[in-house]
Amino acid sequence: GAVVSQHPSRVICKSGTSVKIECRSLDFQATTMFWYRQFPKQSLMLMATSNEGSKATYEQGVEKDKFLINHASLTLSTLTVTSAHPEDSSFYICSARDLLWSTDTQYFGPGTRLTVL
Amino acid sequence: AQRVTQPEKLLSVFKGAPVELKCNYSYSGSPELFWYVQYSRQRLQLLLRHISRESIKGFTADLNKGETSFHLKKPFAQEEDSAMYYCALRSNDYKLSFGAGTTVTVRA
Repeated sequence: GAVVSQHPSRVICKSGTSVKIECRSLDFQATTMFWYRQFPKQSLMLMATSNEGSKATYEQGVEKDKFLINHASLTLSTLTVTSAHPEDSSFYICSARDLLWSTDTQYFGPGTRLTVL
Repeated sequence: AQRVTQPEKLLSVFKGAPVELKCNYSYSGSPELFWYVQYSRQRLQLLLRHISRESIKGFTADLNKGETSFHLKKPFAQEEDSAMYYCALRSNDYKLSFGAGTTVTVRA
């Protein structure tokens, strides 16, 4: 089946620094990717929808200047957490929408654990 | 706005016993419902979707529009079914809304 990778798998950074997380679809092209956030023992919350070649659309309450999303190619979307603070510590998960090889399914990456000190 | 409710956070059953995970939804449009599973230390993966009307790993789920439910069932639970299960609804804009999840533990 389709595979989605994320890099890095975990990152620890100092408060005030920026962190970039990559999401790649390895064997299919994804015009749409999604970014989620998951707090401990809670569900996934959609943060934004990333569309190749256009601006991302953000869910209500998600700061677009804080969470920069770039979808420069059909296989890569990046999420940059700018000026990270401890409250940004979370598990970030991406998914990619596969239109060609399946019945329009979202495939999920393994997630990135961000810890801001 | 859509909403997905999974009332049980934890579910513990014995091996060989039936298991049912409840999921209710609210959505003004025509919903697409999914069950996703996350095994320990693994990524989220699709278990089944209502439009497929198939049985995966012995699990089935029927969409009941009258009761706005999409409960997941398996007649005989196995130890390898221990995992976190999420019910999800996909709206017309292809966004997924997840329930809070149910942790299933199957005891030997």
